[in-house]
Amino acid sequence: GENVEQHPSTLSVQEGDSAVIKCTYSDSASNYFPWYKQELGKRPQLIIDIRSNVGEKKDQRIAVTLNKTAKHFSLHITETQPEDSAVYFCAASAWGGGSQGNLIFGKGTKLSVKP
Amino acid sequence: SAVISQKPSRDICQRGTSLTIQCQVDSQVTMMFWYRQQPGQSLTLIATANQGSEATYESGFVIDKFPISRPNLTFSTLTVSNMSPEDSSIYLCSVEALGRGTDTQYFGPGTRLTVL
Repeated sequence: GENVEQHPSTLSVQEGDSAVIKCTYSDSASNYFPWYKQELGKRPQLIIDIRSNVGEKKDQRIAVTLNKTAKHFSLHITETQPEDSAVYFCAASAWGGGSQGNLIFGKGTKLSVKP
Repeated sequence: SAVISQKPSRDICQRGTSLTIQCQVDSQVTMMFWYRQQPGQSLTLIATANQGSEATYESGFVIDKFPISRPNLTFSTLTVSNMSPEDSSIYLCSVEALGRGTDTQYFGPGTRLTVL
């Protein structure tokens, strides 16, 4: 089955710097890669996602890149702000061809943005 | 996106008892899922709640311990049976929106369960 590895487990940056979180996946059939942000005591919130027919996607200060050959994808946050501090989870799923498309999550990255 | 609510938001229970968690969505959805998130950990899928049929459980989770119902396209329940302290976790439901991408999931607020 699918296995998703996420690095680093913790990341501390200064406000205004960039942050990069990386994930690798094992199942070449995976074709959907969402990122969730979870603030303390709150539900995971979808912040951006990418599908396997796209190499990069941007939404304001957030971008995700996908390398299907190497089976890894990354989250990039530019101009970080204190409110970006949270735990970020990557996930992967393989939808279509009869699959239920269950999301498999990475272990999470705790991002701290220091003012 | 759909508005998802869960009841209760939190509970403290005695070992050996059972708790039923409800998940309500304000619109019809194709898929509903139940996850467990242990303190400081990632999300683990317990099962897919299928409307009108038995839930599909992931490895390590069984129906006797986590019975699930899904009577319609907007509601599901998860029961945590014969609880032990190891069941202390946050339980979250998630949904895939009907008519949207078939794989985008949104989460409910979660139920924080403490077993004494």
